[in-house]
Amino acid sequence: NAGVMQNPRHLVRRRGQEARLRCSPMKGHSHVYWYRQLPEEGLKFMVYLQKENIIDESGMPKERFSAEFPKEGPSILRIQQVVRGDSAAYFCASSLLAGGLGSYNEQFFGPGTRLTVL
Amino acid sequence: GNSVTQMEGPVTLSEEAFLTINCTYTATGYPSLFWYVQYPGEGLQLLLKATKADDKGSNKGFEATYRKETTSFHLEKGSVQVSDSAVYFCALSDLDDYKLSFGAGTTVTVRA
Repeated sequence: NAGVMQNPRHLVRRRGQEARLRCSPMKGHSHVYWYRQLPEEGLKFMVYLQKENIIDESGMPKERFSAEFPKEGPSILRIQQVVRGDSAAYFCASSLLAGGLGSYNEQFFGPGTRLTVL
Repeated sequence: GNSVTQMEGPVTLSEEAFLTINCTYTATGYPSLFWYVQYPGEGLQLLLKATKADDKGSNKGFEATYRKETTSFHLEKGSVQVSDSAVYFCALSDLDDYKLSFGAGTTVTVRA
């Protein structure tokens, strides 16, 4: 029973390049969340997606960042023209049921992708 | 907005020692509180949770009590083992919200 998978685990990019981070949710989960952890800080919510829909992207920077969760395949977090300030650990989580309905639904986390921008 | 402040690490202990990790929070509503643990090379796992004042969450010998009057949710374990070495995160979410707000994490190392 595989958990949430993320790849790559480590990603190095030069300034101006693109970074693509992948997240495969747990089997049967159709709700995906992305969080970012900057150095010395806690994880911060970025975006919540369901299959083919972005539900809440209130935590996502307005420029250069995008996320998708297609009908088939993993969820992708894409960062265009990376800058040094994008260096962080990016965590993906998935859940079976939708959140925000008056009851907590457990989010299961992947091991994270550590992005380093040179 | 919501925020979580937890004890800075790293913390190094000997086996069978008592562990406390302090966590305090600020929330606009009445949040649910959580402790997550991340073992080396793995994802964050929910360790325990509490959803209302005076609730005590417990799991694997760890305990934390929801203290509304002091806005705290301190994690404790009476006798740690080497296998408890991990990063521990305190977190909260509003009742009607899926967004988790995390502390910065506390790295705990237990030596044999």
